[in-house]
Amino acid sequence: AQSVTQLGSHVSVSEGALVLLRCNYSSSVPPYLFWYVQYPNQGLQLLLKYTSAATLVKGINGFEAEFKKSETSFHLTKPSAHMSDAAEYFCAVTTIYSSASKIIFGSGTRLSIRP
Amino acid sequence: NAGVTQTPKFQVLKTGQSMTLQCAQDMNHEYMSWYRQDPGMGLRLIHYSVGAGITDQGEVPNGYNVSRSTTEDFPLRLLSAAPSQTSVYFCASISHRNNEQFFGPGTRLTVL
Repeated sequence: AQSVTQLGSHVSVSEGALVLLRCNYSSSVPPYLFWYVQYPNQGLQLLLKYTSAATLVKGINGFEAEFKKSETSFHLTKPSAHMSDAAEYFCAVTTIYSSASKIIFGSGTRLSIRP
Repeated sequence: NAGVTQTPKFQVLKTGQSMTLQCAQDMNHEYMSWYRQDPGMGLRLIHYSVGAGITDQGEVPNGYNVSRSTTEDFPLRLLSAAPSQTSVYFCASISHRNNEQFFGPGTRLTVL
């Protein structure tokens, strides 16, 4: 079975500062990994995904994530935070052997941006 | 394309009542899923389907039923609502080409 752990339920950064949201996964087979963003009172939107191609994945809104097999990590970063980045972020995992319907989500990290 | 639609947006039930949350997608996706979202717990998979006529249980299936008679629709039924089912429910439709999930806007359910 696979799982994800997001370290830190709440992260606060200043506008213009580096954003780093941490995600570690557990999977006995090669994983597919995702980051989603959820703005208040909305559904989830895909930011980026890793599906065994390039280990550095670029997504929308200037976010990127790096797959590190040795560390079982898939941390999300953005060089310079913007006020509009304030939202909740979810890391998720599935595998090439799982049904695409069985994507498992982490508990989420709420990102706040200080002016 | 409307994408994934969910109805109703809000619902209040009394304990013991039953109801059906509707979900429809117009992207011809074979895969669909239902999740519930609770504070501090992320999204938990309730049931999923890999095609019309095929469904299976996720992490938290108790108290919920699903069926998939068509590719487009994937309703979630609460058989006898309990306060523990107060949550926000999201339906998702998945592209089998790249595993990308498309989420509906959610249904906020309160059980008194």
